Formats: sequence, structure tokens, C-alpha cells
Amino acid sequence: SQTIHQWPATLVQPVGSPLSLECTVEGTSNPNLYWYRQAAGRGLQLLFYSVGIGQISSEVPQNLSASRPQDRQFILSSKKLLLSDSGFYLCAWCPILAAKNIQYFGAGTRLSVL
Amino acid sequence: SQKIEQNSEALNIQEGKTATLTCNYTNYSPAYLQWYRQDPGRGPVFLLLIRENEKEKRKERLKVTFDTTLKQSLFHITASQPADSATYLCARGAGTALIFGKGTTLSVSS
Repeated sequence: SQTIHQWPATLVQPVGSPLSLECTVEGTSNPNLYWYRQAAGRGLQLLFYSVGIGQISSEVPQNLSASRPQDRQFILSSKKLLLSDSGFYLCAWCPILAAKNIQYFGAGTRLSVL
Repeated sequence: SQKIEQNSEALNIQEGKTATLTCNYTNYSPAYLQWYRQDPGRGPVFLLLIRENEKEKRKERLKVTFDTTLKQSLFHITASQPADSATYLCARGAGTALIFGKGTTLSVSS
């Protein structure tokens, strides 16, 4: 069966520090991968998605970047965190041939930038 | 712009009643809509998908409807239980991605 791992679960970082969040998927090949952010009182905001190694689509211009160095690995990064980067970050995957983009989410990372 | 909206942020009902949550869309015609459940501090979990040519879809105590005239999907939980308390999200397709509504937080009291 397929599983998605996301870490760390919680993270407290000072303003201006770098960020690296990692997501890996097991039990499938060539999945579509997604990063979302959920700020307090707001909905899920799609940040990046990837349909293959090295292929990244950005949905919202911001202080973050994403990379997909391996088929089942998706990394969210920042060189310098802002206070506004605080939120709940979720990674998700979708089988490449899935019907209608049904997505499977990781447990999330709660990021607090202080 | 193409919007998907869940107008009610919160819904409080008593155990045993039917909960009805609403998802509206404007300025487009989605081929399908999806519904997810999200518990506090957890990632969303897929529940149901309904296509534009389907009027209704059921799964155990869950029922979803799709009304293309009203541009609306309704999500029903019958015989609700306290364990059904969660935030429910609707989503529409956008290419290879999904766009989510802000969600409705359901609280079922015993």
C-alpha cells in the first residue's frame, strides 16, 4: 500500500532563517506531488505541484521554492523565512493515472516563525 | 474569477440529526467536485467525488448532490454522531491540481 511521510511535525524558526521541509511517498511510482499551506482561519492554498522529477509549477509567487530531486521526494524550501510564512504545511500525492485528481495527504508540518 | 465557496464557516447540530453542508461555485462549470474531511492538526482525507452528470452519490451515512442549475453541491451526513465533528472541505479540479474551499467546521453535540 502507499504511504506518505512528512517531517518534521512541528517546527519553530526565527525570522530570516532557512527552511527545508521534506515529503516522501512509498509504494507508488511517478506520482503527482503537491505542497499546500493552511493559515489560521484560511483554506488550503496550493503552493507548488510537480508531475515529474525536476518539474515544478508554482501557483503563488512568494518566499518559498520547491524541488523534486527524486521521483518520490518533494522538498519545500526558503532561504529566509518571514513571519507570514507561519502556517500548517501539507504535502499530498495523487496517482499519475488517478481519476479526477483524488489526493492523499501527509500529516502536515506546523511551522511557527517568530 | 472561478470561485469555489463554502459560505458557512461553522455548523452546530445535535446527535442523530442530518448535517447539510453547502459548496457553491461561480463563473465556471466543474467536471467534478470532491469532498474531504479534516480533523484538527491532521491532513484532509478524501471522502467522495461526484461528477457533473451525477445527481447524487452515497457512501454509508454520507450523501453528496450536484446541482448544475444552482451551481451547488450539498454534502449530507445522516444520523450524525459526535465522531463526525470535523472540518469538511469541497474541492474542484484545476488541471492536475485541486482548488479547495475554506471548509465548514461541523460540531455534533451529544
